[in-house]
Amino acid sequence: AQSVTQPDIHITVSEGASLELRCNYSYGATPYLFWYVQSPGQGLQLLLKYFSGDTLVQGIKGFEAEFKRSQSSFNLRKPSVHWSDAAEYFCAVGRTGNQFYFGTGTSLTVIP
Amino acid sequence: SQTIHQWPATLVQPVGSPLSLECTVEGTSNPNLYWYRQAAGRGLQLLFYSVGIGQISSEVPQNLSASRPQDRQFILSSKKLLLSDSGFYLCAWDRGNGELFFGEGSRLTVL
Repeated sequence: AQSVTQPDIHITVSEGASLELRCNYSYGATPYLFWYVQSPGQGLQLLLKYFSGDTLVQGIKGFEAEFKRSQSSFNLRKPSVHWSDAAEYFCAVGRTGNQFYFGTGTSLTVIP
Repeated sequence: SQTIHQWPATLVQPVGSPLSLECTVEGTSNPNLYWYRQAAGRGLQLLFYSVGIGQISSEVPQNLSASRPQDRQFILSSKKLLLSDSGFYLCAWDRGNGELFFGEGSRLTVL
């Protein structure tokens, strides 16, 4: 069965510190992988996506993610966090024309 | 340009009342459309998806139903709301490149 696991419900980091959000997936075929960000009361915005090729993908707002097939992981990283990065982050897996499955999300708090 | 709209944005309904949430996509044709529900601390739950008019797939048996009367319109309904139906409902459109584009969401509170 397809599923996405985000083991960290909530993470707090200091502004300027590095960030890594974990994501593990289970999918029958070669998946498309995504990270979305959600500000309070808003819809979701795509940060980055992986379809194939280079396993390190760059996204908007300085985020990057690395696909590791052997670990079934797609962790999100940012070298230096800004206060505006505080939000809810969702990892997702799926393919066009099929269902997309989301993790339960990781809430990020940034302290000055 | 391509846009997706949901309404109403906020809704407070009593238990047992009906529900209708509407989602409309503009600037595209034959989109794949999705309804998700986001409950506090539970992430996004896929409720329904549709690949065309009249074609609805249900992910989770529940008190809700969906319809797609027109190519770019996707409606989420209930005949009798339950307390557990409260949540943030998100409509999304698959642009065909694997990216989901989300609407602004509809917050439903059932009292």
